[in-house]
Amino acid sequence: DIQMTQSPSSVSASVGDRVTINCRASQGISTWLAWYQQKPGRAPKLLIYAASGLQSGVSSRFSGSRSGTDFTLTINNLQPEDFATYYCQQAHSFPLTFGGGTKVEIK
Amino acid sequence: EVQLVESGGGLVQPGRSLRLSCVGSGFNFGDYAMYWVRQGPGKGLEWVASISSNTIEYADSVKGRFIISRDNAKNSLYLQMNSLRAEDTAFYYCVKDKDYGLGSYMFDPWGHGTLVTVSS
Repeated sequence: DIQMTQSPSSVSASVGDRVTINCRASQGISTWLAWYQQKPGRAPKLLIYAASGLQSGVSSRFSGSRSGTDFTLTINNLQPEDFATYYCQQAHSFPLTFGGGTKVEIK
Repeated sequence: EVQLVESGGGLVQPGRSLRLSCVGSGFNFGDYAMYWVRQGPGKGLEWVASISSNTIEYADSVKGRFIISRDNAKNSLYLQMNSLRAEDTAFYYCVKDKDYGLGSYMFDPWGHGTLVTVSS
C-alpha cells in the first residue's frame, strides 16, 4: 500500500499569510495526487487534481506542486474562508489512500 | 448541477447489517466510476470501495463484509454492510469520479454523507 505522510498536522496562520502543506508518498505516484478542503460539518471539496491542476471554481490562491514523491499545497493570501482541514490523496493505485490531514487554524 | 444524496444510515448493533444508498443527478451516472469514502468521528478520510463498469475494489478493512453495487437505470449506488463492527462507525460519503470513463480515482463531488453508528 502507498502511505501518504502529510505535514504539519496543524498550522496557525493569520489572514493574508501564505501557508504551505506538504505530503510525501511512500513510493512514486507520478502526478496522481489530489488535494481536498474540508470545513467542519461539511463534506470534502476537491481543490487540486493531478498534483497541480486547479479544479473549476476554486480560487487561484490555491496552487499545487510536485518534486519527486513530495507534493505541496500552497495557499496565498489566506482568507477567513480558508480555515479548514486539508487532505492529500494518492490516485495512483488501490487501495486509494489519504494523508492524515492538516488543520489550518486562525492565529 | 451534480448532486449525490445518501440515505440508509443509522444506529445498528454489532454483527448486524445495513444498506446504504446514494442517488445521483445532474450527470450521466453510468459513465462514471463511483466510490464510498468514510470518516470516523474526529478522524481522517478512508476510502472504502470503488465500482466502475468493469472493476470493483475494496479496502482490506471491509473486504468480505461489504458489497458495493450500482443500478445505472436508477442512477443509484449501494453499499451493503454486513457483520458490522464498532470501528465501522463513521460518516459514509458517496463520491463520483472526477472524470468519466476509466476515471482518475480522484473524487468530485462528494455527497453530504450519512452517519452509521455501530453500538449495542
